[in-house]
Amino acid sequence: QVHLVQSGAEVKKPGASVKVSCKASGYTFTTYSITWVRQAPGQGLEWIGWISPYNGNTNYVQKFRDRVTMTTDTSTSTAYMELRNLISDDTALYYCVTGSAWADFWGQGTLVTVSS
Amino acid sequence: DIQMTQSPSSVSASVGDRVTITCRASQGIASWLAWYQQKPGKAPELLIYAASSLQSGVPSRFSGSGSGTDFTLTISSLQPEDFATYYCQQANSFPYTFGQGTKLEIK
Repeated sequence: QVHLVQSGAEVKKPGASVKVSCKASGYTFTTYSITWVRQAPGQGLEWIGWISPYNGNTNYVQKFRDRVTMTTDTSTSTAYMELRNLISDDTALYYCVTGSAWADFWGQGTLVTVSS
Repeated sequence: DIQMTQSPSSVSASVGDRVTITCRASQGIASWLAWYQQKPGKAPELLIYAASSLQSGVPSRFSGSGSGTDFTLTISSLQPEDFATYYCQQANSFPYTFGQGTKLEIK
């Protein structure tokens, strides 16, 4: 059974960085890409990008390309997403999901609040 | 970027009803379309991928159809647990994009 467990909620000031983790279990970690999706409060879903734990290849949405870094640690089956230079519009629930085209399995989400 | 437009934005229906939700892409996406269900306070769940393939474990009352620019999600006989928000998503062209969502409410 695929299971993704994310790190806890974060509160950050504008201009700061946040790093969210996503620990995978129930499957071979290098088999599926990990995608990050976010959802602002009361809003829809937004694709951020994905990383292949197999070879480290990444594909970021242009909007985030200058501010986001996705990494993986295959020894602990954990994926990470770091978002820098946070602004209030980055306040959202951030999800890690398996897959690079379809979001097959979802983590529980990590709420990142950006507030001065 | 490809724009995905869902209609209606919200719909009221009763248990046992047949409901259809439409998703239109701003350009052709072949069959690169998925549907998700999201309940309040929960992460979305994948229902349909490749326009018409049912994700494992999803009840057969859910079905998807379409190709190119026009797609539909049909729930053949609504159950109480189906009242939720539904999103379509295209995976034809990066950045992958979602529709704005359709909220299915109890009449």
